Parts: sequence; C-alpha cells; structure tokens
Amino acid sequence: SAVISQKPSRDICQRGTSLTIQCQVDSQVTMMFWYRQQPGQSLTLIATANQGSEATYESGFVIDKFPISRPNLTFSTLTVSNMSPEDSSIYLCSVVVGENIQYFGAGTRLSVL
Amino acid sequence: QKEVEQNSGPLSVPEGAIASLNCTYSDRGSQSFFWYRQYSGKSPELIMFIYSNGDKEDGRFTAQLNKASQYVSLLIRDSQPSDSATYLCAVNPGSSNTGKLIFGQGTTLQVKP
Repeated sequence: SAVISQKPSRDICQRGTSLTIQCQVDSQVTMMFWYRQQPGQSLTLIATANQGSEATYESGFVIDKFPISRPNLTFSTLTVSNMSPEDSSIYLCSVVVGENIQYFGAGTRLSVL
Repeated sequence: QKEVEQNSGPLSVPEGAIASLNCTYSDRGSQSFFWYRQYSGKSPELIMFIYSNGDKEDGRFTAQLNKASQYVSLLIRDSQPSDSATYLCAVNPGSSNTGKLIFGQGTTLQVKP
C-alpha cells in the first residue's frame, strides 16, 4: 500500500476565493488521481495528474476551474478556483500501487459559504 | 444507463447473517473490479479486488465475478455491527491500463445487533 497525506483536512471558504489542496505520497507512484464526492453521492473522477505534463480532465471538469500540478512522482496539488457553494464537497487524491490497486487519501472536506 | 450500478439500499441484516451486495457494469471490456468500504466521514478503504471469473475469498469476505453477465458481488459472512458502512463497487473500464475507476453510487449496509 501507500501512505497518502492530504492537506488541509477541511476548510470553510468564502464564495469567489480559491483553495489549493496538497497530496503527498511516501513513495514514487506513476498514477495519481483527484476525485470529488458531493454530499450523499459517490466518487466522481476529476482528472488524472500527470507528472511533468498537463493533467487529463474528465468530461465536465476543466483546467480553469480545477488546475492541477504534479511536479514529481510523490506530490500533486488540486486548486478549486472561484469557488461557489456548489463546490462544497469532499476532494480526494488517490494513487495506484502494485497490481492496479488504488488507495485514497483521507480527503479534504470543503464548505463554501 | 449508468456505467456501474448498485442498489443504494439501505440493506439491513441481523448480526451473524450473510450480507450480499451486488453490482452490474456496462463496459464489457472491463478487466478489474474493486470493492471499497466507506464509513461515514471517512475515505474509501479497499476491501477486495477481483480480476478473474469466479470467487475470491479473504476472511469473511468473498468477491464473485461473472463477466458474461457483467456482474460482481460481495458477500460478507458473519456480519458484525462494525461492518455497517457504505460499500462502493468500482470498475476499471476498458482494456487500457489507465488506472481510472468508475464508481457505483454505493450500497449502505446496516448490521443490527
């Protein structure tokens, strides 16, 4: 498995501001992902964080709203930009280890007022 | 049609009974199948993964896969109140090794003492 540290664990933000979430892994991993879990819902993939190149976004998610950085194989950030109350969710990073097994960080609980 | 479908429940079973959780998927090319457990307020925790048709057992948990019927299930024997959680079925779609997971909406399991 992998030890994944995600910061902050929770935050309350004002409408129109931006929040950057950090994800740190204790070993080098090739695949890293960012998911969103809206209240009472399942997980939806936002994007694949690619090391050294632009992230690959899923349908419905765009770089201007969710810019992602992946400077190396152990670290990534997700920014939620120009936030609105609809962005209130849990944001999770995950990594793939071994036989295509995906592990999740503890998540960032975001509330937008 | 949703790509991964689960009955949202709640599924209620008495302590000591067998809980049966079901999941169907639409992408016939899917190769990897996962069951995650998510306690309220926590991130998903991997329970089982299965790649081949048939059964795979790990302690009180058995995953069953039938690719012809596009069906995967999770059996929990001797259910305990601590098993009460939401169980998420996740599928790695298609034959390409992207690592991406598509999640079902989750089934809430309640084990009553």
